[in-house]
Amino acid sequence: AQTVTQSQPEMSVQEAETVTLSCTYDTSENNYYLFWYKQPPSRQMILVIRQEAYKQQNATENRFSVNFQKAAKSFSLKISDSQLGDTAMYFCAFMKPPNFGNEKLTFGTGTRLTIIP
Amino acid sequence: DAGVTQSPTHLIKTRGQQVTLRCSPKSGHDTVSWYQQALGQGPQFIFQYYEEEERQRGNFPDRFSGHQFPNYSSELNVNALLLGDSALYLCASSLQGRIYEQYFGPGTRLTVT
Repeated sequence: AQTVTQSQPEMSVQEAETVTLSCTYDTSENNYYLFWYKQPPSRQMILVIRQEAYKQQNATENRFSVNFQKAAKSFSLKISDSQLGDTAMYFCAFMKPPNFGNEKLTFGTGTRLTIIP
Repeated sequence: DAGVTQSPTHLIKTRGQQVTLRCSPKSGHDTVSWYQQALGQGPQFIFQYYEEEERQRGNFPDRFSGHQFPNYSSELNVNALLLGDSALYLCASSLQGRIYEQYFGPGTRLTVT
């Protein structure tokens, strides 16, 4: 079974600074998907960024980028120029490649990120 | 274009009762997945529906059951409620062929007393 570990329960950073959230995972699969989801107090889970394991290039979405280290099974999220609206719970998640019976997300326990004005 | 909607927003039930939660997927999506998120935890996969059938199931007892309708909307039913069933229940919709793009609803907060 796949496991996802987020070792930082809480983090805080000053507005406009850069912050990195850590995630490690365990799998025997070679191809898979990794995700970072944001869950603000409104509770709605929002996709921040997605990485396909077969792609060597790290994914980026505006101020959000990942550092994907496949051999180390590490998948960190970097938020640049942090904004007050980035305050939320952040979940790292894993999905096996699409195939009958594989299409479920396995989540970590989350990191509560607070951006300080 | 409406996103994923869930009803009700909040629900309070007593131990032993039964509850039904509802989910309408994003327009054009045909697959619905349900997750349970206990307080302070990450979501846990309950089951997934496609073509009105349960396609896969997580490690949840048979008290948890579901249904998908021809219009792709879905229900989650929980029988014989336990205190431990108190959680946020999230619905996610996706399209077969792009299953890695799951869009979540705002959730239903269930409290069992």
